[in-house]
Amino acid sequence: QVQLKESGPGLVKPSLTLSLTCTVSGFSLSSYGVIWVRQPPGKGLEWMGVIWGNGNTNYNSALKSRLSISRDTSKSQVFLKMNNLQTEDTAMYFCARSRYFDFWGPGTMVTVSS
Amino acid sequence: DIQMTQSPSVLSASVGDRVTLNCKASQNINKYLNWYQQKLGEAPKLLIYNTNNLQTGIPSRFSGSGSGTDYTLTISSLQPEDVATYFCFQHNSWYTFGAGTKLELK
Repeated sequence: QVQLKESGPGLVKPSLTLSLTCTVSGFSLSSYGVIWVRQPPGKGLEWMGVIWGNGNTNYNSALKSRLSISRDTSKSQVFLKMNNLQTEDTAMYFCARSRYFDFWGPGTMVTVSS
Repeated sequence: DIQMTQSPSVLSASVGDRVTLNCKASQNINKYLNWYQQKLGEAPKLLIYNTNNLQTGIPSRFSGSGSGTDYTLTISSLQPEDVATYFCFQHNSWYTFGAGTKLELK
């Protein structure tokens, strides 16, 4: 069955770079894209970026200058890197399959704090 | 950017009630509208995709409708397990989520 799972450091210091991994199973990254979405505590959802089945990427214009998404199809993994983290980047980070945005991972919490 | 406005922000209803949640887009989104249910501490769960298509495994008491800029999620008979926050999501022109409707039991 389709599954996605995010993993990451949990705590990141301000100004540093966040690296997250989304490991998928049950589908091929060459066939479907993966979107990253985040949700600050008690707030709504914000899409961050997407990597498509052909490897092309698109980013939310508000984050584009700091964000990079890549993948390793052989490992069924998608990577998110975001630099110059600030406290307002504290959030739960989710990855989801782009086919109808149907399956989501459980999320990984990232706290930005010194 | 397309803005999505959900109403009401909080809805109190009783078990068995018919419940209607609304989502309005700032421009035509051509029925590219999904509805998600999110319970505390969990990931969003897809209920309805492309306005009116019920995701596999979702109870038939959930239904969606709409067109153009106005969309609706209906729960025909509210159950206790439906207490959650519901988000709409447009994927016609990039992606935007609504702020959510928190559904509570009266």
